Amino acid sequence: AAGVIQSPRHLIKEKRETATLKCYPIPRHDTVYWYQQGPGQDPQFLISFYEKMQSDKGSIPDRFSAQQFSDYHSELNMSSLELGDSALYFCASSTRTGSYYEQYFGPGTRLTVT
Amino acid sequence: AQTVTQSQPEMSVQEAETVTLSCTYDTSESDYYLFWYKQPPSRQMILVIRQEAYKQQNATENRFSVNFQKAAKSFSLKISDSQLGDAAMYFCAYRTSFGNEKLTFGTGTRLTIIP
Repeated sequence: AAGVIQSPRHLIKEKRETATLKCYPIPRHDTVYWYQQGPGQDPQFLISFYEKMQSDKGSIPDRFSAQQFSDYHSELNMSSLELGDSALYFCASSTRTGSYYEQYFGPGTRLTVT
Repeated sequence: AQTVTQSQPEMSVQEAETVTLSCTYDTSESDYYLFWYKQPPSRQMILVIRQEAYKQQNATENRFSVNFQKAAKSFSLKISDSQLGDAAMYFCAYRTSFGNEKLTFGTGTRLTIIP
C-alpha cells in the first residue's frame, strides 16, 4: 500500500538559509499534518491543512509557512534558519472518511542547521 | 489544553517477559482517542494500538494490550512475550474525537529488551 512520502529525507542548511520540505500524502487523503521532533523530544504539532485550507495551527514560528496544493501535497517553508530548527520533521496524512481519522506518518525529513 | 504524561523515561524487560508502560492524560472532554506509537531507531512513527474513549472494552492487538481507566485518566500499554524487535521509544498520544485534530504526545518511554 502507498505510504506518505517526504522529501528530501535529509537536508543540511546553514544559519539564515531557507529550506523547503515536501510531503505527498496517501492517495485520497485530504488532510496533512506537520510535526517537529527535536533531539530527545516528543513530536510537536506545527500546522495542519484540510482540503487545501489551514485547519489548525500549533507552535509554528512566524519564520515558517506552509500550504497544501491542489494535488493535496504540502510544503513547509522555513526561512532564516536557526540552529534550534535542527530536528526531524514529520508529515502525516489522514482522511475524514471512516471513524478513526487515523494519521499515517511519513518517514520524516531530518534537517540539520549548521 | 490536553496534556499527556509518561512518568517512565526508561524501562527494560527480559526477552519473553511482560512489561507495562504507563500513561496518564488530562482532558475536559468526554469523547476522544488514545494511541500508543512506537518509534524504533529508524525514527519511523508506527501506530501500535488505539482506544476510543467511549468503549469500555480494552483494545488488544496481538501481544499488545491496553488498560484504559477513563475515570482515572490512565492508559497503560502491556507488551506480552517481549521480543528484541520491541526495543524502541514508545509515545502515548491523545486526540480529540471531533474531526481531524492534532495529536498531543507524551514525552516517551525508551524500552530496552534484555536478551
